[in-house]
Amino acid sequence: QVQLQESGPGLVKPSETLSLTCTVSGGSISSYYWSWIRQPPGKGLEWIGNIYYSGSTNYNPSLKSRVTISVDTSKNQFSLKLSSVTAADTAMYYCARDTGLGMNYWGQGTLVTVSS
Amino acid sequence: DIQMTQSPSSLSASVGDRVTITCRASQNISSYLNWYQQKPGKAPKLLIYAASSLQSGVPSRFSGSGSGTDFTLTISSLQPEDFATYHCQQSYSTFFTFGPGTKVDIK
Repeated sequence: QVQLQESGPGLVKPSETLSLTCTVSGGSISSYYWSWIRQPPGKGLEWIGNIYYSGSTNYNPSLKSRVTISVDTSKNQFSLKLSSVTAADTAMYYCARDTGLGMNYWGQGTLVTVSS
Repeated sequence: DIQMTQSPSSLSASVGDRVTITCRASQNISSYLNWYQQKPGKAPKLLIYAASSLQSGVPSRFSGSGSGTDFTLTISSLQPEDFATYHCQQSYSTFFTFGPGTKVDIK
């Protein structure tokens, strides 16, 4: 059974960089696309971007200037960096496996709060 | 980018009711449409992919239909565990977008 687990700081200061890692277990990261999605409190889902195991990426145009997604196949992990954060970036952040026909495995999510 | 809308934004229904949720894309997305269920405090769960294919393990009371710009998620007989928020998502473009969600609660 594939499992995903997000990890990283739960509190980030304004203007700093948010960094999260998603660890994949029960299966290899060396296939499929791997996505980051976020959900501000009480709001809908926003897709941030994804990465193929080879390193090819796609980003949400509204976040593209601030987002970097990377993959470490040796650790079965992929990561998210979001720079110059503001309070608007406060959200639950999820990682997910994208088969090309929907995201069928998700992490439990990690809440990131942007505050000084 | 492709905008997704859903209607209604919320609905109240009773156990046993037939429930229909609509999702509309701002342009033709063929059948690249997925549906998710999300319960409070939980991650979304994939229900339907490619507009009408049932994800493994999902009860058959869930079904999806549509193509092009208009899509429907139907729950044939609402069960207590189905009270949740439902999201549609297009995967036609390399920039995925979600609908705003439809909350289904108890009448």
